[in-house]
Amino acid sequence: GNSVTQMEGPVTLSEEAFLTINCTYTATGYPSLFWYVQYPGEGLQLLLKATKADDKGSNKGFEATYRKETTSFHLEKGSVQVSDSAVYFCASFTGGGNKLTFGTGTQLKVEL
Amino acid sequence: DTEVTQTPKHLVMGMTNKKSLKCEQHMGHRAMYWYKQKAKKPPELMFVYSYEKLSINESVPSRFSPECPNSSLLNLHLHALQPEDSALYLCASSHDRVGGYTFGSGTRLTVV
Repeated sequence: GNSVTQMEGPVTLSEEAFLTINCTYTATGYPSLFWYVQYPGEGLQLLLKATKADDKGSNKGFEATYRKETTSFHLEKGSVQVSDSAVYFCASFTGGGNKLTFGTGTQLKVEL
Repeated sequence: DTEVTQTPKHLVMGMTNKKSLKCEQHMGHRAMYWYKQKAKKPPELMFVYSYEKLSINESVPSRFSPECPNSSLLNLHLHALQPEDSALYLCASSHDRVGGYTFGSGTRLTVV
C-alpha cells in the first residue's frame, strides 16, 4: 500500500528562518497528498493539499509541490514565526478506500 | 458549519467503568473515522464508517465499540479499558479522497 516517510525532528529554528520539512511517498498511481499541523493540546488541522502531479498546495505562507519525479511533497515556508511551533504530519491515502496514512510527524520549534 | 465536534474534551475513567466518546459533524460527509494518538506519535486508524456502515476495523480490541446512529453522529463506547489505552482519541470526517479529512479537537482519555 501507499506510505509516506518524513524527516525526523525535532527541528529548531530562529524566527524568520527558512523552513523545509521533507516528505517522500511510495504509491501505485498518484494519490492525493496532504500536510496536517497539530498545535499543542489540539487535534489535527489540514494545512494544505495537492491532488495530482505538479500541483502546488499553499496556505498561511506554507507551500508544498507534488513532484512525481522525486516522489516528494516537501513542506516549505520562507519565514517562520514562533506561532508556527507545532507538529507537522505528511499524509496520503492508502489503498482503494478512504484510509489516510500519516508519516511519523516532525516537531518544529521556533525561537525568538 | 465546517467543524467536527468531539465531547468530552477530557475524560478520566477507571478500568471497570463504561463511558462513551461522541463526535458530530454537519458538513454532509458520509465517511467518519476514529483515530487513536499516543504522545509524540502519528494518529493510528481504529475504525472507518462509510454511509453509516462499519467498513474498516483495524483489529481493535472489543473493549472499544463504535456506533454510528446516523450520518452526523459517531460514538465510541468504552468498557474495561486498560491504562495503556490512555491517549488522545480523534474523530474525523471526509467527503471524498480529494478533500482530505476534517478532524475534531479530540478527547484526551486517561484510564486509571
